[in-house]
Amino acid sequence: QKEVEQNSGPLSVPEGAIASLNCTYSDRGSQSFFWYRQYSGKSPELIMFIYSNGDKEDGRFTAQLNKASQYVSLLIRDSQPSDSATYLCAVYNFNKFYFGSGTKLNVKP
Amino acid sequence: EAQVTQNPRYLITVTGKKLTVTCSQNMNHEYMSWYRQDPGLGLRQIYYSMNVEVTDKGDVPEGYKVSRKEKRNFPLILESPSPNQTSLYFCASSLRRTGGDEQYFGPGTRLTVT
Repeated sequence: QKEVEQNSGPLSVPEGAIASLNCTYSDRGSQSFFWYRQYSGKSPELIMFIYSNGDKEDGRFTAQLNKASQYVSLLIRDSQPSDSATYLCAVYNFNKFYFGSGTKLNVKP
Repeated sequence: EAQVTQNPRYLITVTGKKLTVTCSQNMNHEYMSWYRQDPGLGLRQIYYSMNVEVTDKGDVPEGYKVSRKEKRNFPLILESPSPNQTSLYFCASSLRRTGGDEQYFGPGTRLTVT
Protein backbone atom coordinates (compact mmCIF):
# COMPACT_ATOMS: atom_id res chain seq x y z
CA GLN A 1 0.00 0.00 0.00
CA LYS A 2 1.31 3.39 -0.94
CA GLU A 3 1.78 5.95 1.78
CA VAL A 4 -0.18 8.63 -0.05
CA GLU A 5 -2.92 7.96 -2.58
CA GLN A 6 -4.45 10.35 -5.08
CA ASN A 7 -6.75 9.90 -8.03
CA SER A 8 -4.61 10.57 -11.08
CA GLY A 9 -7.47 12.23 -12.98
CA PRO A 10 -7.70 14.11 -15.16
CA LEU A 11 -10.29 16.12 -13.31
CA SER A 12 -12.04 18.51 -15.66
CA VAL A 13 -14.04 21.48 -14.40
CA PRO A 14 -15.43 24.52 -16.18
CA GLU A 15 -14.01 27.95 -15.46
CA GLY A 16 -15.56 29.44 -12.35
CA ALA A 17 -16.49 26.10 -10.80
CA ILE A 18 -15.14 24.53 -7.62
CA ALA A 19 -12.44 21.90 -8.08
CA SER A 20 -12.17 19.29 -5.34
CA LEU A 21 -8.97 17.30 -5.01
CA ASN A 22 -8.61 14.44 -2.58
CA CYS A 23 -5.81 12.53 -0.91
CA THR A 24 -5.62 9.70 1.60
CA TYR A 25 -2.60 8.63 3.64
CA SER A 26 -1.82 5.40 5.39
CA ASP A 27 0.18 6.34 8.52
CA ARG A 28 -1.86 7.77 11.39
CA GLY A 29 1.28 9.28 12.87
CA SER A 30 1.73 11.68 9.96
CA GLN A 31 2.33 15.17 11.20
CA SER A 32 2.10 17.73 8.40
CA PHE A 33 0.20 17.87 5.15
CA PHE A 34 0.92 19.85 2.02
CA TRP A 35 -0.55 20.61 -1.38
CA TYR A 36 1.85 21.48 -4.19
CA ARG A 37 1.05 22.57 -7.71
CA GLN A 38 3.25 21.46 -10.58
CA TYR A 39 2.98 22.82 -14.08
CA SER A 40 4.25 20.60 -16.87
CA GLY A 41 8.04 20.64 -16.99
CA LYS A 42 8.34 22.78 -13.87
CA SER A 43 9.18 22.15 -10.25
CA PRO A 44 6.50 21.82 -7.55
CA GLU A 45 5.43 24.95 -5.70
CA LEU A 46 3.56 25.10 -2.41
CA ILE A 47 -0.14 25.95 -2.46
CA MET A 48 -1.03 25.28 1.15
CA PHE A 49 -0.02 23.36 4.23
CA ILE A 50 -2.15 22.20 7.14
CA TYR A 51 -1.20 20.66 10.46
CA SER A 52 -4.46 20.47 12.44
CA ASN A 53 -7.86 18.95 11.86
CA GLY A 54 -10.33 21.21 10.15
CA ASP A 55 -10.26 23.74 7.37
CA LYS A 56 -7.65 26.27 6.39
CA GLU A 57 -8.45 28.95 3.85
CA ASP A 58 -6.12 31.07 1.74
CA GLY A 59 -7.75 33.11 -0.97
CA ARG A 60 -9.47 30.78 -3.43
CA PHE A 61 -7.93 27.71 -1.81
CA THR A 62 -9.19 25.70 1.16
CA ALA A 63 -7.36 22.73 2.62
CA GLN A 64 -9.29 20.27 4.75
CA LEU A 65 -7.75 17.71 7.08
CA ASN A 66 -9.50 14.83 8.78
CA LYS A 67 -6.96 12.81 10.75
CA ALA A 68 -9.53 10.26 11.92
CA SER A 69 -10.31 9.38 8.32
CA GLN A 70 -6.70 9.97 7.17
CA TYR A 71 -7.95 12.26 4.49
CA VAL A 72 -6.78 15.59 3.10
CA SER A 73 -8.54 17.63 0.47
CA LEU A 74 -8.00 20.82 -1.48
CA LEU A 75 -10.85 22.94 -2.76
CA ILE A 76 -10.21 25.53 -5.45
CA ARG A 77 -13.03 28.06 -5.77
CA ASP A 78 -13.65 30.07 -8.92
CA SER A 79 -11.29 27.84 -10.88
CA GLN A 80 -9.30 29.56 -13.61
CA PRO A 81 -7.61 28.11 -16.70
CA SER A 82 -4.31 29.07 -15.06
CA ASP A 83 -5.10 26.54 -12.30
CA SER A 84 -4.69 23.75 -14.85
CA ALA A 85 -1.78 21.73 -13.49
CA THR A 86 -0.97 18.60 -11.54
CA TYR A 87 -1.64 18.85 -7.81
CA LEU A 88 0.56 16.85 -5.50
CA CYS A 89 -0.44 15.86 -2.00
CA ALA A 90 2.49 15.45 0.40
CA VAL A 91 2.68 14.10 3.91
CA TYR A 92 5.49 14.59 6.42
CA ASN A 93 6.10 11.78 8.87
CA PHE A 94 9.14 11.43 11.12
CA ASN A 95 11.62 13.37 9.03
CA LYS A 96 10.48 12.03 5.66
CA PHE A 97 8.18 13.40 3.00
CA TYR A 98 5.82 11.18 1.05
CA PHE A 99 4.12 12.37 -2.11
CA GLY A 100 1.11 11.10 -3.96
CA SER A 101 1.38 10.59 -7.69
CA GLY A 102 -0.67 13.73 -8.32
CA THR A 103 -4.05 14.67 -9.75
CA LYS A 104 -4.12 16.42 -13.10
CA LEU A 105 -6.63 19.26 -13.16
CA ASN A 106 -8.00 20.76 -16.38
CA VAL A 107 -10.00 23.97 -16.12
CA LYS A 108 -11.90 24.59 -19.32
CA PRO A 109 -12.58 28.20 -20.41
CA GLU B 1 17.07 35.97 -4.78
CA ALA B 2 16.21 33.02 -2.51
CA GLN B 3 16.56 29.88 -4.51
CA VAL B 4 17.65 26.29 -4.90
CA THR B 5 19.93 25.66 -7.83
CA GLN B 6 20.78 22.38 -9.50
CA ASN B 7 23.36 21.51 -12.10
CA PRO B 8 23.33 20.23 -14.70
CA ARG B 9 19.73 20.70 -15.85
CA TYR B 10 20.03 18.01 -18.49
CA LEU B 11 22.41 15.08 -18.61
CA ILE B 12 22.75 12.12 -20.93
CA THR B 13 25.27 9.53 -19.84
CA VAL B 14 26.15 5.88 -20.27
CA THR B 15 25.77 2.97 -17.91
CA GLY B 16 28.47 2.83 -15.28
CA LYS B 17 29.94 6.29 -15.71
CA LYS B 18 29.98 8.03 -12.33
CA LEU B 19 28.19 11.35 -12.15
CA THR B 20 27.34 14.03 -9.64
CA VAL B 21 24.37 16.37 -9.64
CA THR B 22 24.96 19.45 -7.53
CA CYS B 23 22.40 21.21 -5.39
CA SER B 24 22.86 24.48 -3.57
CA GLN B 25 20.52 26.71 -1.55
CA ASN B 26 21.07 30.25 -0.35
CA MET B 27 18.34 30.39 2.30
CA ASN B 28 20.28 28.95 5.24
CA HIS B 29 17.88 26.02 5.33
CA GLU B 30 18.56 23.11 7.64
CA TYR B 31 16.73 20.34 5.78
CA MET B 32 17.67 19.27 2.26
CA SER B 33 16.38 16.41 0.20
CA TRP B 34 16.62 14.68 -3.16
CA TYR B 35 13.66 13.27 -5.07
CA ARG B 36 13.14 11.45 -8.30
CA GLN B 37 9.95 11.84 -10.29
CA ASP B 38 8.72 9.14 -12.64
CA PRO B 39 5.42 9.00 -14.55
CA GLY B 40 2.68 7.45 -12.45
CA LEU B 41 4.90 7.18 -9.38
CA GLY B 42 5.05 10.78 -8.28
CA LEU B 43 7.92 12.19 -6.28
CA ARG B 44 9.90 9.68 -4.27
CA GLN B 45 12.42 10.73 -1.68
CA ILE B 46 15.93 9.38 -2.25
CA TYR B 47 17.93 10.85 0.61
CA TYR B 48 17.53 13.70 3.05
CA SER B 49 19.74 15.66 5.39
CA MET B 50 18.69 17.39 8.58
CA ASN B 51 22.03 19.03 9.27
CA VAL B 52 25.64 19.18 8.14
CA GLU B 53 27.15 15.69 8.19
CA VAL B 54 23.73 14.16 8.94
CA THR B 55 22.10 12.26 6.09
CA ASP B 56 19.56 9.47 5.98
CA LYS B 57 17.82 7.25 3.49
CA GLY B 58 14.49 8.07 1.97
CA ASP B 59 12.24 5.62 0.20
CA VAL B 60 14.44 4.80 -2.80
CA PRO B 61 18.14 5.19 -1.82
CA GLU B 62 19.55 2.22 -3.75
CA GLY B 63 22.19 3.25 -6.27
CA TYR B 64 22.62 6.77 -4.87
CA LYS B 65 24.95 8.50 -2.45
CA VAL B 66 24.84 11.96 -0.91
CA SER B 67 27.00 14.13 1.27
CA ARG B 68 26.42 17.27 3.35
CA LYS B 69 29.74 18.84 4.13
CA GLU B 70 28.40 22.38 4.04
CA LYS B 71 24.97 23.65 4.98
CA ARG B 72 24.22 25.09 1.55
CA ASN B 73 25.28 22.13 -0.64
CA PHE B 74 23.84 18.66 -1.00
CA PRO B 75 25.22 16.80 -4.03
CA LEU B 76 23.69 13.59 -5.37
CA ILE B 77 26.17 10.99 -6.56
CA LEU B 78 25.48 8.07 -8.85
CA GLU B 79 28.54 5.84 -8.62
CA SER B 80 27.48 3.47 -11.39
CA PRO B 81 24.36 4.75 -13.14
CA SER B 82 21.98 2.28 -14.73
CA PRO B 83 19.11 2.82 -17.19
CA ASN B 84 16.52 2.44 -14.40
CA GLN B 85 17.90 5.65 -12.90
CA THR B 86 16.71 7.59 -15.92
CA SER B 87 14.38 10.10 -14.30
CA LEU B 88 13.67 13.71 -13.40
CA TYR B 89 15.49 14.67 -10.22
CA PHE B 90 14.60 17.47 -7.83
CA CYS B 91 16.54 18.88 -4.95
CA ALA B 92 14.57 20.65 -2.23
CA SER B 93 15.24 22.48 0.99
CA SER B 94 13.21 23.62 3.96
CA LEU B 95 13.91 25.85 6.89
CA ARG B 96 13.60 23.70 9.95
CA ARG B 97 15.56 20.61 10.77
CA THR B 98 12.43 18.78 11.86
CA GLY B 99 8.74 19.50 11.85
CA GLY B 100 8.15 19.38 8.15
CA ASP B 101 7.56 22.80 6.68
CA GLU B 102 7.41 24.16 3.17
CA GLN B 103 9.96 22.75 0.78
CA TYR B 104 11.52 24.90 -1.92
CA PHE B 105 12.38 22.94 -5.03
CA GLY B 106 15.17 23.37 -7.50
CA PRO B 107 14.41 23.50 -11.23
CA GLY B 108 15.07 19.80 -11.78
CA THR B 109 17.69 17.71 -13.56
CA ARG B 110 16.58 15.44 -16.35
CA LEU B 111 18.91 12.44 -16.43
CA THR B 112 19.04 9.86 -19.19
CA VAL B 113 21.21 6.78 -18.74
CA THR B 114 21.76 4.71 -21.89
